[in-house]
Amino acid sequence: QVQLQESGPGLVKPSQTLSLTCTVSGDSISSGYFYWSWIRQPPGKGLEWIGYISFSGDTYYNPSLKSRLTISIDTSKNQFSLRLSSVTAADTAIYYCAKEAPFIPAGVWGQGTMVTVSS
Amino acid sequence: DIQMTQSPSSLSASVGDRVTITCRASQGISNYLAWFQQKPGKVPQLLIYAASTLQSGVPSRFSGSGSGTDFTLTISSLQPEDVATYYCQKYNSAPETFGQGTKVEIK
Repeated sequence: QVQLQESGPGLVKPSQTLSLTCTVSGDSISSGYFYWSWIRQPPGKGLEWIGYISFSGDTYYNPSLKSRLTISIDTSKNQFSLRLSSVTAADTAIYYCAKEAPFIPAGVWGQGTMVTVSS
Repeated sequence: DIQMTQSPSSLSASVGDRVTITCRASQGISNYLAWFQQKPGKVPQLLIYAASTLQSGVPSRFSGSGSGTDFTLTISSLQPEDVATYYCQKYNSAPETFGQGTKVEIK
């Protein structure tokens, strides 16, 4: 059974870069035509799709974040990562990673990691 | 970009009631529509995909319908464990936008 686990700093200073990693276990990140996604949820608010990366490295980003966002994949470590630059308090959220199968959206989620942007 | 609008934003119903939540896309998305359930303090869970296909393990009291721009999530008989916020999501193409959510409570 595939499992996902987010990791990274819980506190980031304004204007700095937020970096998170999602480690995949129970499955190879390079097997099959899957998409590896990032989704976030500000405290008390709804879900926001951030973007995803395919097993081959193709990326698709939310246009509202595109200028600050990089999603990458490391098949040797079975991990994919998110980097969000020039963060502000509006980027404070629980960040989830998730796995999407062909024609099936985020069916497997990580537990989420809370990131606070504050000085 | 396609916008997803859910209604109502919240509802309160009695145990055993039939509950309906709607989701409207600003453009046609065929049947590339999913529903997620997020219980308080928990990770969202996929309930339905392809507008009407129940994810494995989801109780049969949940059902989905619709195609194009108008979609519905129905709980045929509301149970206490169904207290949650429900989100629709379009996934025909990026960005995979979520609706704003519908909070379901027990009266």
